Amino acid sequence: EAGVAQSPRYKIIEKRQSVAFWCNPISGHATLYWYQQILGQGPKLLIQFQNNGVVDDSQLPKDRFSAERLKGVDSTLKIQPAKLEDSAVYLCASSKRQGPGANVLTFGAGSRLTVL
Amino acid sequence: GESVGLHLPTLSVQEGDNSIINCAYSNSASDYFIWYKQESGKGPQFIIDIRSNMDKRQGQRVTVLLNKTVKHLSLQIAATQPGDSAVYFCAENGAGGTSYGKLTFGQGTILTVHP
Repeated sequence: EAGVAQSPRYKIIEKRQSVAFWCNPISGHATLYWYQQILGQGPKLLIQFQNNGVVDDSQLPKDRFSAERLKGVDSTLKIQPAKLEDSAVYLCASSKRQGPGANVLTFGAGSRLTVL
Repeated sequence: GESVGLHLPTLSVQEGDNSIINCAYSNSASDYFIWYKQESGKGPQFIIDIRSNMDKRQGQRVTVLLNKTVKHLSLQIAATQPGDSAVYFCAENGAGGTSYGKLTFGQGTILTVHP
């Protein structure tokens, strides 16, 4: 099966500019996640969707980050305005299963953001 | 909380040796503990998980050990191969049914396998 697709792979912007990342999960996967991975650290959960509804966005900095998953398939993550500390890899992941099987996430390759 | 920074723990082994990667976790109420492997330029990939009521689980060439007394998790890789070179993360999913998939990752360990 095709993996989780993300674009763009790389993006360089200046602080205060905006950026958007796109994710297409594995077909049939109802649950979609966005994780932020700062260099040298493990991924950190930003937001979880179940179909087109938000399940958990408690760690999303809502003053500058927004995410949506229209029609319960693709998702976009937006940052506006970007700060230097937003430099990171933004990973999209999806899961088909429920219960403990939901811990088996399939990650995309990520979108690397550099904020200058 | 977790210690963070650019200097990840590293483990260097020879091809064919056994590798042991360690992790200390913080949430004693977590239901599952999971190991992920991340190769350069790729997203993390699931390796194996263990439920909190178990102390050992084996997979293909991998074994995970859980010591809840000291909040310690380890991943053992048998007959390590160059393709095992990657960063290994332990993760926990917290407590409760709504926490599945919402993983808290550790800092990671860099494993380098020399031919």
